[in-house]
Amino acid sequence: EVQLLESGGGLVQPGGSLRLSCTASGLTFGNYAMTWVRQAPGKGLEWVSTISGIGDLTFYADSVKGRFTTSRDNSKSTHYLQMDSLRAEDTAVYHCVKGGHDSPYDIWGHGTMITVSS
Amino acid sequence: EIVLTQSPATLFLSPGERATLSCRASQSVSSYLAWYQQKPGQTPRLLIYDAFNRATGIPARFSGSGSGTDFTLTISSLEPDDFAIYYCQQRRNWPRTFGQGTKVEIK
Repeated sequence: EVQLLESGGGLVQPGGSLRLSCTASGLTFGNYAMTWVRQAPGKGLEWVSTISGIGDLTFYADSVKGRFTTSRDNSKSTHYLQMDSLRAEDTAVYHCVKGGHDSPYDIWGHGTMITVSS
Repeated sequence: EIVLTQSPATLFLSPGERATLSCRASQSVSSYLAWYQQKPGQTPRLLIYDAFNRATGIPARFSGSGSGTDFTLTISSLEPDDFAIYYCQQRRNWPRTFGQGTKVEIK
């Protein structure tokens, strides 16, 4: 069974930084693009970023471009989201998702909550 | 950016009834459209990909149709477990985008 487990969430002040991690199991991790999708409290789904299987291609939503960086370590089956210059509007549950480059989002992690507040 | 507009925002139906949900794209997404279901407090689940393909383990009462700019998710006979929010999402262009969701509520 494929599982995705996120970690690294929490409370951070505006302008601060956090790094999310997503560790995968049950799949050949490097074969798949990985994506971050967020959901603000009471709101819909918002695509944040996608990284290709070997990590050579990255894509970002305009709302996070220049502030967030996605990366991966296939030897550790782990996907990362470095979030800098955080804003109140970044407050959301961040889901790690399998897929996204040329495939749908077929496996979702339960998510980790990020709260940006002073 | 491709904007996906879902209608209606809320659908009030009874168990056993047929649900028809619409997703319209601001420009063609070919067949690169997926549907996700999200129940309260739960993670989204992939239902349909590439317009009409059911994901693994999805019951046959869920079906998708359409291409280009107009898509439909049909639930042939609503089960109590189907009352949830449904999102469409395109992977034709970057940035990937989601619709705002349609909530299917019990009448």
